[in-house]
Amino acid sequence: GDSVTQMEGPVTLSEEAFLTINCTYTATGYPSLFWYVQYPGEGLQLLLKATKADDKGSNKGFEATYRKETTSFHLEKGSVQVSDSAVYFCALPQNMYSGGGADGLTFGKGTHLIIQP
Amino acid sequence: EPEVTQTPSHQVTQMGQEVILRCVPISNHLYFYWYRQILGQKVEFLVSFYNNEISEKSEIFDDQFSVERPDGSNFTLKIRSTKLEDSAMYFCASSENRDYGYTFGSGTRLTVV
Repeated sequence: GDSVTQMEGPVTLSEEAFLTINCTYTATGYPSLFWYVQYPGEGLQLLLKATKADDKGSNKGFEATYRKETTSFHLEKGSVQVSDSAVYFCALPQNMYSGGGADGLTFGKGTHLIIQP
Repeated sequence: EPEVTQTPSHQVTQMGQEVILRCVPISNHLYFYWYRQILGQKVEFLVSFYNNEISEKSEIFDDQFSVERPDGSNFTLKIRSTKLEDSAMYFCASSENRDYGYTFGSGTRLTVV
């Protein structure tokens, strides 16, 4: 079935550092891809998305490019802030042909990002 | 910005009791979902609901679970007889179209004692 693999955390960076959180996926076809963020004590928020190959999703200084050649959707930010500390989840829709269900999202395990002042 | 609202934010219940978690999805959304997240673990799909019936459900969603859209605005998850391992954060989500993304509620933390 479709799956998402994220880099293990926690990832600890200093403020203003460059961030990359790796995400690779296994899927039939070319599904939409998403990054969700979960701030401490809160629910999941859609951070950005890309609906087709070579699309770049962007929001709040974060970017991710849908790379079908490498089946990747890495999250990047040029200069992180303390307020970016959160757990980041890469996700894709479940594949209706793989037996995993026609709806819902498959999430990666999440990457805990800690930004130190 | 439209929100998905979940109540209560935190519920403590005794093992074996029934609980109902409530959600108000975004009004023009057509697809509704429940997910759960056991502390420190990944977010897991439970069930999706469309056109007043279950579209898909995961292995987790056994006979102890049920969902309902009783009045056209609320979307509920019922756990008939809670177990300790049901303790988790439960997220409701809704979507106009799954390729557009899903809007999640802030979750209900269920603690079974």
